[in-house]
Amino acid sequence: DIVLSQSPPSLPVTPGEPVSISCRSSQSLLHSNGNTYVDWYLQRPGQSPHLLIYLGSNRASGVPDRFSGSGSGSDFTLKISGVEAEDVGIYYCMEALQIPPTFGQGTKVEIK
Amino acid sequence: QMQLQESGPGLVKPSETLSLTCTVSGGSIRGHYWSWIRQPAAKGLEWIGRISSDTGNTDYNPSLKSRVTMSVDTSKSQFSLKLTSVTAADTAMYYCARGYIWGNYRPFDYWGQGTLITVSS
Repeated sequence: DIVLSQSPPSLPVTPGEPVSISCRSSQSLLHSNGNTYVDWYLQRPGQSPHLLIYLGSNRASGVPDRFSGSGSGSDFTLKISGVEAEDVGIYYCMEALQIPPTFGQGTKVEIK
Repeated sequence: QMQLQESGPGLVKPSETLSLTCTVSGGSIRGHYWSWIRQPAAKGLEWIGRISSDTGNTDYNPSLKSRVTMSVDTSKSQFSLKLTSVTAADTAMYYCARGYIWGNYRPFDYWGQGTLITVSS
């Protein structure tokens, strides 16, 4: 299975400041079809995960534009341009290049 | 707005079979792949498997493949999971989700609220 490593594991933040979460894969997630099979999900406290970013950099429907995904190959980043209180929770990257799709261990974002 | 709702027993005895159902509303179950994903308490997410509502084709996580069976009933807008020979290690929140489709990529874009399954005698 592909292994995803996220950092940092925990991130105390002040509202309004930018946030950056890293996700590194044990192998490239770029397919020959040109797609990069990495997604980002947010799990708010007590809720199920929901989709933020798919195929590396595409925002899901209804996701605020303060969220952005970037990266290539095996190194990816989720950025929040100015974190808001509703952004607290655990962020997971996920790869869908192979079966089974696998998730990173998560990055917990909390307000200082 | 599409909604997914898991239903299940809550408590399962060791060595028995866990059975869960996901009911889809607010949209068609047809034309999609549907997955089960689980999350042990305070741990990460593990994909269990997926089923095509059109063909019934399935893909399972190799780590669980010998114990997993998924099925779909389009007339009821439901899909189901059976996990045999459960142990305490199968205690987790179980989510159903729409997705994923690889070719014309669709990620996990709708999730149920989850149902907590505890394996205990």
